[in-house]
Amino acid sequence: GAVVSQHPSWVICKSGTSVKIECRSLDFQATTMFWYRQFPKQSLMLMATSNEGSKATYEQGVEKDKFLINHASLTLSTLTVTSAHPEDSSFYICSARGTVYNSPLHFGNGTRLTVT
Amino acid sequence: AQSVAQPEDQVNVAEGNPLTVKCTYSVSGNPYLFWYVQYPNRGLQFLLKYITGDNLVKGSYGFEAEFNKSQTSFHLKKPSALVSDSALYFCAVSPPQGGGSYIPTFGRGTSLIVHP
Repeated sequence: GAVVSQHPSWVICKSGTSVKIECRSLDFQATTMFWYRQFPKQSLMLMATSNEGSKATYEQGVEKDKFLINHASLTLSTLTVTSAHPEDSSFYICSARGTVYNSPLHFGNGTRLTVT
Repeated sequence: AQSVAQPEDQVNVAEGNPLTVKCTYSVSGNPYLFWYVQYPNRGLQFLLKYITGDNLVKGSYGFEAEFNKSQTSFHLKKPSALVSDSALYFCAVSPPQGGGSYIPTFGRGTSLIVHP
């Protein structure tokens, strides 16, 4: 089946530094990738949608200059949390969709970010 | 705009008993419906989907779901619950192709706890 690899699985960084999270589709071409943020015992909050070769579309309330998303190829999207602060600590999950419109999303295993 | 409701934050069931996790939706046109499962500190895994055809859809790990158009529901079911089924379950809906943004909408999740 389709596999999405997300790295790192966890990261601890100091306040003010930047962190990059990678999301790779290993065996299919991901025309669209989604980035989510999940708080404890809560649902997924969609942060942005990215299409290969295009600028990401951010959801209302998500700072695009803080959460930089790049989808440079059909197999790789990155999320960079710039100038991280403790309130950015969360579980970040990427997902990818192939070329078939009604295919399910394939999710990475998430990244636990802790900002100290 | 599309929406998904999962009315129960938590469902408790004894091992061996049947389980039901409820989901209702609102979308223009014929929906694409999905169920995903999330284990602790992991991404979401696809369980099953309804696109068209038979209203009873069978998926992974013995789960099934019944699409009910008149009640706009897509409840997840399993005849005999296992302790290992304990996890967070998400229902998701997408509009039909051409019906707007593909971006799927997720419910807030239902925590299933299966007691030994």
